[in-house]
Amino acid sequence: DVKVTQSSRYLVKRTGEKVFLECVQDMDHENMFWYRQDPGLGLRLIYFSYDVKMKEKGDIPEGYSVSREKKERFSLILESASTNQTSMYLCASSRTGTLYEKLFFGSGTQLSVL
Amino acid sequence: KNQVEQSPQSLIILEGKNCTLQCNYTVSPFSNLRWYKQDTGRGPVSLTIMTFSENTKSNGRYTATLDADTKQSSLHITASQLSDSASYICVVGLMDSNYQLIWGAGTKLIIKP
Repeated sequence: DVKVTQSSRYLVKRTGEKVFLECVQDMDHENMFWYRQDPGLGLRLIYFSYDVKMKEKGDIPEGYSVSREKKERFSLILESASTNQTSMYLCASSRTGTLYEKLFFGSGTQLSVL
Repeated sequence: KNQVEQSPQSLIILEGKNCTLQCNYTVSPFSNLRWYKQDTGRGPVSLTIMTFSENTKSNGRYTATLDADTKQSSLHITASQLSDSASYICVVGLMDSNYQLIWGAGTKLIIKP
């Protein structure tokens, strides 16, 4: 079974702090994604990566950056955390493009910015 | 605007009963429709994926249907179990994108003993 592991389940940070969310997948998947999930809304794509060192902006990239130095690892960076970035962050991976491929998700990181 | 609407927002049923969740979409160009199950505090897990040429797909007690003409899908759960308590999310993929998915807000299903 594919395993997508997110480094923290819960995180509490202060406004202005730099925040790193880490994600590792163990199935040699090409694509990795970062989503955020807020109550009452569908998942929103922040960034995705289709190869090492390659990244594309999703629907809501403002205030975020990403890093993919190794195929199995995809990091989300909040350069200066703000209260409106309090959310559940979900990492996902897929074998190739999402056109017909399943996404495999991690358990999520609930981030609170105070 | 590409949108996926799900109904009801929430649903409570007794263990052992059947239920049907609805999904309406206005997404173009359509590629595929997926249903995901998300347990509380966990990431979504894929249940089914259907292309426009498929009108039904089953995964155990879960059966998804797709009517591409009316742009509607349903997820039918048979003989519900307590472990079916979760949010069920309808997701539509776009033909001209390898990464863009339009996510519904989900239906929260509670199964009572």
